[in-house]
Amino acid sequence: ETGVTQSPTHLIKTRGQQVTLRCSSQSGHNTVSWYQQALGQGPQFIFQYYREEENGRGNFPPRFSGLQFPNYSSELNVNALELDDSALYLCASSPGLAGARGTGELFFGEGSRLTVL
Amino acid sequence: AQSVTQLGSHVSVSEGALVLLRCNYSSSVPPYLFWYVQYPNQGLQLLLKYTSAATLVKGINGFEAEFKKSETSFHLTKPSAHMSDAAEYFCAVSRTGGGNKLTFGTGTQLKVEL
Repeated sequence: ETGVTQSPTHLIKTRGQQVTLRCSSQSGHNTVSWYQQALGQGPQFIFQYYREEENGRGNFPPRFSGLQFPNYSSELNVNALELDDSALYLCASSPGLAGARGTGELFFGEGSRLTVL
Repeated sequence: AQSVTQLGSHVSVSEGALVLLRCNYSSSVPPYLFWYVQYPNQGLQLLLKYTSAATLVKGINGFEAEFKKSETSFHLTKPSAHMSDAAEYFCAVSRTGGGNKLTFGTGTQLKVEL
């Protein structure tokens, strides 16, 4: 069983640039969530995708956007990068939407560390 | 709204000693509660979860946690620390019907000394 994989593992950008981060979900999982983990902080929920549609969003501006593809892989796009966007971006997958009956158990990748200069 | 508070950003124990990492939660609806562990340069791994079944939850690597509604707590314990337990530990909460949106605490760095 292949776990959650993310790419790239590290990248450096400058202010104002755009970045795309990629995530392959664990086999059999159709839901992908993205989290931002700033240095010394806990992860913060950015958004979730289920069956190619955004299904829940945290307190992040519209320049954070995403996509989910038919194979359930996902992309996180960040436009107009700011210094505060420097963080570890974590992708997590789960086997379902985990609504009323769900438990919210997530399977995380190792993250993409973004540095904005 | 939900939140978790982890008391103590750094905890140091001797190898073989009891590990106690504290987590208090706030939730207006019955919560689901989780403990995740993060080793250096890695993603998060689920240690254990509470989903309204048994209040004492056993997880991997000998860890367990007890849900205490009266104290709004979900503290993580392990009877005997091992060097390999050194990592950062995050408590997280989600609400029933809340899908996969987890609200994490700020983490507790556990150091295990010889």
